[in-house]
Amino acid sequence: DIQMTQSPSSLSASVGDRVTITCRASQGISNYLAWYQQKPGKVPKLLICAASTLQSGVPSRFSGSGSGTDFTLTISSLQPEDVATYYCQKYNSALLTFGGGTKVEIK
Amino acid sequence: EVQLLESGGGLVQPGGSLRLSCTASEFTFSSYAMSWVRQAPGKGLEWVSGTSGSGGSTYYADSVKGRFTISRDNSKNTLYLQMNSLRAEDTAVYYCAKARRIVGPTTALDYWGQGTLVTVSS
Repeated sequence: DIQMTQSPSSLSASVGDRVTITCRASQGISNYLAWYQQKPGKVPKLLICAASTLQSGVPSRFSGSGSGTDFTLTISSLQPEDVATYYCQKYNSALLTFGGGTKVEIK
Repeated sequence: EVQLLESGGGLVQPGGSLRLSCTASEFTFSSYAMSWVRQAPGKGLEWVSGTSGSGGSTYYADSVKGRFTISRDNSKNTLYLQMNSLRAEDTAVYYCAKARRIVGPTTALDYWGQGTLVTVSS
């Protein structure tokens, strides 16, 4: 089975900082990669699919890139409302494995 | 607006069984694959099981294979998860989630229910 590894597991950054989260697949998954945001006490929300396609309504400060085994989620200018845990998920097969999550906090 | 409403969670003893339901509305339920995803207290998301739109194909994480059964009744717009031989490590909030595209289960999940808590404890 393909494993998804995220790094870092947590980070603290200042408002306005550029934040980058990495997700690595143990085997190539082309661009079958989604990113989700889960705010404290809330339901996960789909941010990005196909590695880089922003969902409707998601602020443009969020972006995704990568293909194959290495992917990144970037927040270009961190805002207080971005405090959340972010998860990557592969969907190249019917086994939809999630990464372990990255908790983003404000410094 | 798409709505997914889970029910059936509760407290169950180790070795016991529970059946979760997820009632869907405001989309053509039978056209979309559906999944169950769980989240143990303070932990990350874990995909548990998925099914095609017809229900003819089902998929499971290794951690639940042989113990959980996913099914759906498209006439009732309802997804189920039958959970048997429950263990303490199955304690989690269980979410049902809708596939984003009508292409089978290999797609992201665009709508999620609010979740139902399953607690396995004696």
